Amino acid sequence: EIVLTQSPGTLSLSPGERGIFSCRASQTVNNNYLAWYQQKPGQAPRLVIYDASSRAAGIPERFSGSGSGTDFTLTISRLEPEDFVVYYCQQYGSSPLTFGGGTKVEIK
Amino acid sequence: DVQMVESGGGLVQPGGSLRLSCAVSLVDFPNRYMHWVRQLPGEGLVWVSRISPDGSTRDYADSVKGRFTISRDNAKNTLFLQMNSLRAEDTAVYYCVPTTPMDWGQGTLVTVSS
Repeated sequence: EIVLTQSPGTLSLSPGERGIFSCRASQTVNNNYLAWYQQKPGQAPRLVIYDASSRAAGIPERFSGSGSGTDFTLTISRLEPEDFVVYYCQQYGSSPLTFGGGTKVEIK
Repeated sequence: DVQMVESGGGLVQPGGSLRLSCAVSLVDFPNRYMHWVRQLPGEGLVWVSRISPDGSTRDYADSVKGRFTISRDNAKNTLFLQMNSLRAEDTAVYYCVPTTPMDWGQGTLVTVSS
């Protein structure tokens, strides 16, 4: 199975700063089928990015995804207060579905 | 729009059983691979099981193999997870999701405790 490693585990930033999240796969993600999810406390994951770089419906333009093969990045251009939560990457190009361990963004 | 609504969770004693259901409002549900994913308290997301569109192929994580059974009713757009011989380490929120990424339902909480 494909192992996804997210770094850093915790990111300490201030509102208005840029957030950059890394997701590295142990092998090539087929068709760049890599998604990013946002999860707020007590809520289900919300889709942010799919197919590595496509923004999901209703997601603000400050969110962008990039990368291919084994290295992927989620960027939040300017962090808003509601962005300080946890982000997971997920690959869906191979079975089983696998997830990164998550990156928590905290207010500095 | 919430496409998946999970139910059937609750408190059960170790060794007990539960059957989870997931009502899926995707029109092409019969054509989709479906999965169960769980999230342990305060932890990340872990894949549990997968079923093919016609139900003929079922895969399981090693941690649940032999204890959990995934199934589906395509006529009712519903996914199931029969959970037997439950253990404390099965305590989690369980989500049903398709392979194609989308917003998830709220999940259903399973608590295994005496």
